[in-house]
Amino acid sequence: GAGVSQTPSNKVTEKGKYVELRCDPISGHTALYWYRQSLGQGPEFLIYFQGTGAADDSGLPNDRFFAVRPEGSVSTLKIQRTERGDSAVYLCASSPQAGMGQYFGPGTRLTVL
Amino acid sequence: AQTVTQSQPEMSVQEAETVTLSCTYDTSENNYYLFWYKQPPSRQMILVIRQEAYKQQNATENRFSVNFQKAAKSFSLKISDSQLGDTAMYFCAFISNSGNTPLVFGKGTRLSVIA
Repeated sequence: GAGVSQTPSNKVTEKGKYVELRCDPISGHTALYWYRQSLGQGPEFLIYFQGTGAADDSGLPNDRFFAVRPEGSVSTLKIQRTERGDSAVYLCASSPQAGMGQYFGPGTRLTVL
Repeated sequence: AQTVTQSQPEMSVQEAETVTLSCTYDTSENNYYLFWYKQPPSRQMILVIRQEAYKQQNATENRFSVNFQKAAKSFSLKISDSQLGDTAMYFCAFISNSGNTPLVFGKGTRLSVIA
């Protein structure tokens, strides 16, 4: 079956602009996660959805970051007033349940100029 | 809070040889899962192997096996008969069994397989 997909693959934007990153999880996976990966580092947790609701958003760095999952499937990560420090690879993962592991998409590389 | 430590930033191995990547973790929980993920230059994170903490038997997936030492909080990955396609970043990760919680990753080990 289809894996986790993310669009766009790459996004270049200017400082101060607004961006949206999209994640389409594996069908039937109720849990969806967003991570951010900086160069040379492991992924860092941003936010986790169980169904439509954000079960844990403690990893969001500040109020410029927001994510939604209105119908319990596709999720959008939104970043307002982007800063150069937001440049990273944003990874999305989905999971049917905790112990089965999380399945990752290919990521979106965000570059803020 | 849980932490995961990978003390080897880079490693290399000759093709067909065996290599072991180290991982230690810290947690106060008794039930949890551990994973190794592979991230090649394409940046797609690929699940390599998983271990359930309550199982004493070490997990094995083809050429990949783990040495899970629960008391020592150690979870190393052994790759046998290394292949050029194994060249990638390898991340060790921890997840609590308390629900659909996020993975906690180590900083990774960059493995190069040399022909």
